[in-house]
This record gives sequence, C-alpha cells and structure tokens, in this order.
Amino acid sequence: DAMVIQNPRYQVTQFGKPVTLSCSQTLNHNVMYWYQQKSSQAPKLLFHYYDKDFNNEADTPDNFQSRRPNTSFCFLDIRSPGLGDAAMYLCATGVAGGWVQETQYFGPGTRLLVL
Amino acid sequence: QQQVKQSPQSLIVQKGGISIINCAYENTAFDYFPWYQQFPGKGPALLIAIRPDVSEKKEGRFTISFNKSAKQFSLHIMDSQPGDSATYFCAASMNSGYSTLTFGKGTMLLVSP
Repeated sequence: DAMVIQNPRYQVTQFGKPVTLSCSQTLNHNVMYWYQQKSSQAPKLLFHYYDKDFNNEADTPDNFQSRRPNTSFCFLDIRSPGLGDAAMYLCATGVAGGWVQETQYFGPGTRLLVL
Repeated sequence: QQQVKQSPQSLIVQKGGISIINCAYENTAFDYFPWYQQFPGKGPALLIAIRPDVSEKKEGRFTISFNKSAKQFSLHIMDSQPGDSATYFCAASMNSGYSTLTFGKGTMLLVSP
C-alpha cells in the first residue's frame, strides 16, 4: 500500500545532542511537509519542500533543518535539541499542480523525548 | 493570528448521539476545508473535506455543513460510536498550487458507551 513512513517511531536523545528523524513516501508526491505537534495542540508547520524548493516558516527556529535528497525521502535535523523540542514530529505529503487541490497525507509520527 | 477558530475544545457525547464541532475562518481566500481525525499516538488522517461551491457533504455518518456567508463550517457525526473517540481538527487551505493547511486547535471527542 502507498504510504508515508516515519522512522524511528520513538526517539530518545540527550539535551544538546543532534538528532535526525526520517520520512519516506511511496505516494510519489512532490510536496513534503514537517510538522511539530505538542500535547493537545494542533500540528505546527515547520517547513515544506515543493520538489527541491525549500520553504521555511518564519517562526521555525534555526535549530531545525531539513534535507530532501530525492522525491521519496525527507529528513528533519535538530541540531541541538532542548527540552522544549520534545514533541511528536509529523511528516506529510501532498501533490502540487494546476488547480487541483489535494489534501495532505500524514505519517504516523515520531515521538521525540529529550532528556 | 489564528485564522481558523474551532469549538468546543472538548466534547462528551453518549453512544448513538450526534457530535457537532464548529469552525470559523477569517481569510476569504480559503477554498478547501478538510477535517482530520487523530487517534492518540497516530498521525492525523483525512476524514472528509468540502469546497465552498457546496453547502453540505455527507460520507456515511459524517457530514460537513458549510456556510460561506458566515465563514463557518461544521462537522456532524451521526450515531456517534465509542470508536469515534479521537481528536478532530478542522483545517482550511487556499489555492496556492498545493495544499497549505491552517489548522484549528482541535476538539477532543469522547463517546461514552
């Protein structure tokens, strides 16, 4: 089945220790998104890629970076995680093109714990 | 500035009852309104969506009602079941070539047996 896959599902890191979360998709969608979701809150968009074009939200901290080496994979790098970065990180995909409005398809998320 | 306001924050409904969640938006450029359902520990999943050219869309027990003049839309869950217990997010998107969702803050629904 076509899907959005996130690894790992749970990640524990130490304060200040870099961590990378990964996302892959078999949907062949050209847009990929990274969201941060804290408990009892809505997902907050961090950035997204339209093909290889990177779009950063204005309030996304510099501590968060992303890479998209190809259509299928996208990575979220947190350079120096703080306690406030503990959250669920959601990857989503979508289709761009013309006037066809497509929705976003979310992965299961990676729950990050910072000790 | 929150562009999509969702209410209530939480909702308890008896099994078989009707669950109603409301959203209001400010940006008249929005033209796509999906609802997402999220279970604990899972990613959001698209439940149902509507475009402003229709006032209602129904899929099974789930119905979206849309009022363009009032800039409001709502989700109705008929015959609510315990398995519907989840957090529901309304969202809105404008046609910018691809989806850029603005989410409401979510409603935690509990359907009691």
